[in-house]
Amino acid sequence: EAGVAQSPRYKIIEKRQSVAFWCNPISGHATLYWYQQILGQGPKLLIQFQNNGVVDDSQLPKDRFSAERLKGVDSTLKIQPAKLEDSAVYLCASSLGGNISPYNEQFFGPGTRLTVL
Amino acid sequence: AQSVAQPEDQVNVAEGNPLTVKCTYSVSGNPYLFWYVQYPNRGLQFLLKYITGDNLVKGSYGFEAEFNKSQTSFHLKKPSALVSDSALYFCAVRDKSSNTGKLIFGQGTTLQVKP
Repeated sequence: EAGVAQSPRYKIIEKRQSVAFWCNPISGHATLYWYQQILGQGPKLLIQFQNNGVVDDSQLPKDRFSAERLKGVDSTLKIQPAKLEDSAVYLCASSLGGNISPYNEQFFGPGTRLTVL
Repeated sequence: AQSVAQPEDQVNVAEGNPLTVKCTYSVSGNPYLFWYVQYPNRGLQFLLKYITGDNLVKGSYGFEAEFNKSQTSFHLKKPSALVSDSALYFCAVRDKSSNTGKLIFGQGTTLQVKP
């Protein structure tokens, strides 16, 4: 079974530029998550999709971050304009369901390491 | 607010010795607890989880974790460490307040196993 795919793996941009990340979840997984992992910290949820609808974006900086999941499969996360503090690893994860059941295990992709200069 | 704490930034252990990576939690109700491992330039890999039942949970790669409700802890353990176990370990709890299933992670503990 193929895992969660992400691209690019690495990205270096200058502040105020824009950047986009792509995620392809495991086939059949209805729920998709984007996490931000700043160096020295644990991952923090940015946004969660259930199929193509948003169920939690409470910690997404909406003035600069946006995400979409068209057709309920692939997802893109965009930052525009980027700030220095956006330097982090952006992790995508997927699961079969999206409720609190502990049986909805999350599978993570390799992440995209963003460096903002 | 629900939270997870990993009190040690780094744990050093010699190969062949037992290892413990500590985790404490603060949640309302019964917790769903998880351990993940992250190797360099890789995503998080699931190790084990506690849902209910036996307090000693066995997981991948010979790891186990002990759930202790009175001490609100979920420490990760392995009887005999390998150099290849060197990685970054995260404890996490399922956020039950929002019914969305998101995970709340600790800050991570770097495990260094020396030959």
